[in-house]
Order: sequence, then C-alpha cells, then structure tokens
Amino acid sequence: GEDVEQSLFLSVREGDSSVINCTYTDSSSTYLYWYKQEPGAGLQLLTYIFSNMDMKQDQRLTVLLNKKDKHLSLRIADTQTGDSAIYFCAETNTDKLIFGTGTRLQVFP
Amino acid sequence: EAQVTQNPRYLITVTGKKLTVTCSQNMNHEYMSWYRQDPGLGLRQIYYSMNVEVTDKGDVPEGYKVSRKEKRNFPLILESPSPNQTSLYFCASSFVGGGNTGELFFGEGSRLTVL
Repeated sequence: GEDVEQSLFLSVREGDSSVINCTYTDSSSTYLYWYKQEPGAGLQLLTYIFSNMDMKQDQRLTVLLNKKDKHLSLRIADTQTGDSAIYFCAETNTDKLIFGTGTRLQVFP
Repeated sequence: EAQVTQNPRYLITVTGKKLTVTCSQNMNHEYMSWYRQDPGLGLRQIYYSMNVEVTDKGDVPEGYKVSRKEKRNFPLILESPSPNQTSLYFCASSFVGGGNTGELFFGEGSRLTVL
C-alpha cells in the first residue's frame, strides 16, 4: 500500500540550510506536497510539485523530486527561528492525501 | 476571514461518554475530512466527505461516526470513547479532494483526552 516516510527530527543552526527528506511508495502519485505545522496550529500548505517536474523553487524553498528513487526533499535556505515547526510531506493520486510522519525542525541560534 | 473552525479545542472526558467535535468551514468547500495526529504516526485519515450526504471511511474509522447534512458542517462523533482515542484531531476542507493542487485548509485542532 501507500507509505510515506520521513526522519523524525532535524536540528540546524540559524542561517544554515535545512534539508528535509521524504520517501514515498506510490509511483503513480500525481502531486507531492509539503505542509508546515507550527506549534499549537493546524497544517498549512507550504508548496507542492507536480510529478513531471524535477525541481521547484519558491523564494527560500527548493523542492527536489527524484521520481526514479521516489524521493522528495525540501531545502530551506537561510533557516530562521520562525522556520521551527513540523514539516509533513504528502502524496496523492486520487482524492486523498497520504501524509508522512512529519519531521520536527528545530532551529537554534 | 476564510477558516475552518473546530470545537472544542480541548476536551477531557471519560470512557463511554458520547461526544461530538464540530467542524465548520466558510469557504463553500465540497471536500471535508477528519484526521488524527499521534506521535510517530503522522496524520491518519478517519473519515472524509466529497459532498453533502456523501461520506467514506478513511484509514482508521473504527470507533468514529460522521455526518454531512450541510455543506459547511462535518461533525465527528465518538459514540463510546475509549482511551485509545486520546489524540489530536484535525478537520480539513478543500475544493477538490486534496489532489490536483487542491490545498487542504486545516482547523486549529482539538485535543481530546479519554480517561
């Protein structure tokens, strides 16, 4: 069945780049997403990539997709303390999203 | 302001006492869904609804009921709560089913503790 995996924690220094990785199993996924969950809040869509793209850049965010290896990554440049949150990747090919376990990003000064 | 509103935000209850978590959205979305979030397990879908009077089971529907009598409301009902339903619950909605760049809008969450 469908499965989306992420590492649970990532700790980076303020100003460095963060790279959050995700692997998925459903090769027919049409869209892959990154959601951000700030403390005490619901999830918010951060960015998404269509499955026929390799890369998408949006300001400090870069999404890389390796469809052959079913690997998705989110790079945050110049990471700030406000980026501290849980990041979920998600895949879809029908009418539901399959979420990963989430990666808690901690940014320290 | 476009939003998904859940109530209550926090609830402590006892085993077997029926409860309802309400969810309302003001964006005229067709699709609504309930998730539970547990440490190390991410978000798991409980039930979803593609439109009024249309509901379907998600991945973990046992012990839950839902209804969709109106487009804006999608309550989650726990007829006889048990301690394993202690969790953080999220309601979400979108114009499409979360795919095709459909963005899911989430409520702020309802933290439920069953003693």
